[in-house]
Amino acid sequence: GDSVTQMEGPVTLSEEAFLTINCTYTATGYPSLFWYVQYPGEGLQLLLKATKADDKGSNKGFEATYRKETTSFHLEKGSVQVSDSAVYFCALSLNTGGFKTIFGAGTRLFVKA
Amino acid sequence: GAGVSQSPRYKVAKRGQDVALRCDPISGHVSLFWYQQALGQGPEFLTYFQNEAQLDKSGLPSDRFFAERPEGSVSTLKIQRTQQEDSAVYLCASSLGQGFSTASNYGYTFGSGTRLTVV
Repeated sequence: GDSVTQMEGPVTLSEEAFLTINCTYTATGYPSLFWYVQYPGEGLQLLLKATKADDKGSNKGFEATYRKETTSFHLEKGSVQVSDSAVYFCALSLNTGGFKTIFGAGTRLFVKA
Repeated sequence: GAGVSQSPRYKVAKRGQDVALRCDPISGHVSLFWYQQALGQGPEFLTYFQNEAQLDKSGLPSDRFFAERPEGSVSTLKIQRTQQEDSAVYLCASSLGQGFSTASNYGYTFGSGTRLTVV
């Protein structure tokens, strides 16, 4: 079935380090791909999205490129800040199969000053 | 309101008790979703409303789970005869769009959730 797999956390980085969180997916159709972020004590927020192959989603210095050939949507940021500490969820949504979005298990990021 | 509001934030229920969880979506948002998030996991879809119509309830885990949105705004998720495996965070999300275009074009706005603990 359709699924999302993302790297296990926690990921601990020092401020200004480079971030990569890996995400791969399995889908029977042609999905749209998303990254959501959950800051402590808050609800999930849409961080970025890409709706077709080779699209790059970007927001707040984060980027992810939709790679159909490798079924991946890795999240990257060139220089993380303490305020980026949160849980990051990769997700997909299909234009067939109803109305749901399928989420990965989440990756917790800690950024140390 | 400015965001999606859920109440209560925390609920402790004795096994066998009925509970009702409330979601107040962003005004004007057509689509409303309920998700269940177990500890250390991503959210899992429960049900979807477009206005007052429940168009997809395929994710509800059993007939003990029931959701309604009678006037197309506030929604209630009811769990009857709660069991320990029902312990989770229940998330509500709303969106301006409808159906697949919702996720593609707008994404969701999530509430902070209700943490249900069944003892």
